[in-house]
Amino acid sequence: NAGVTQTPKFRVLKTGQSMTLLCAQDMNHEYMYWYRQDPGMGLRLIHYSVGEGTTAKGEVPDGYNVSRLKKQNFLLGLESAAPSQTSVYFCASGTGGYEQYFGPGTRLTVT
Amino acid sequence: AQSVTQLDSQVPVFEEAPVELRCNYSSSVSVYLFWYVQYPNQGLQLLLKYLSGSTLVESINGFEAEFNKSQTSFHLRKPSVHISDTAEYFCAVTITGFQKLVFGTGTRLLVSP
Repeated sequence: NAGVTQTPKFRVLKTGQSMTLLCAQDMNHEYMYWYRQDPGMGLRLIHYSVGEGTTAKGEVPDGYNVSRLKKQNFLLGLESAAPSQTSVYFCASGTGGYEQYFGPGTRLTVT
Repeated sequence: AQSVTQLDSQVPVFEEAPVELRCNYSSSVSVYLFWYVQYPNQGLQLLLKYLSGSTLVESINGFEAEFNKSQTSFHLRKPSVHISDTAEYFCAVTITGFQKLVFGTGTRLLVSP
């Protein structure tokens, strides 16, 4: 039982490049979330999903897109990376607005 | 919309001393409250939660938090901290039945010998 896994762990992008972050969970959770963590700002919700095939915007969705084609996977895409997207990205899954299980994070640097 | 305030960005404390990490929330409706802990270079882990019932909730490693509705607070306490408690602690809130958590900005607990 791996819980929540994230791929990759680290990535460096140049401004304008694109990339996809993959989140996978093996707990059969309906809800999945993408957050970014920046110093002094806590965790901010980017997008979330309440089930396979659904997505919704969170607090800071601009510049990101997501897809939930399979229940166990939640992808976060950056179409044209900007330095302001340098951050640590966390994926989480859960059963609603209750306990969430977090992945280990992806550290992204955009130069 | 609900929000969470953690006024202390950093709390230094000596080993075996007591500690309190403060959390206040704003919401006009019933809420669920959580404390998460993040050890260096790791994801967040749930430390404890208040959903209903007793207003005092405890974790397995000696932390406790008390839900105070009149003061809209959910402060985290430990009577005697260990070096291994050094981490960042996040308070979070959700409206009852809602789908999302709102996190505070975190408090870094630094325990020194």
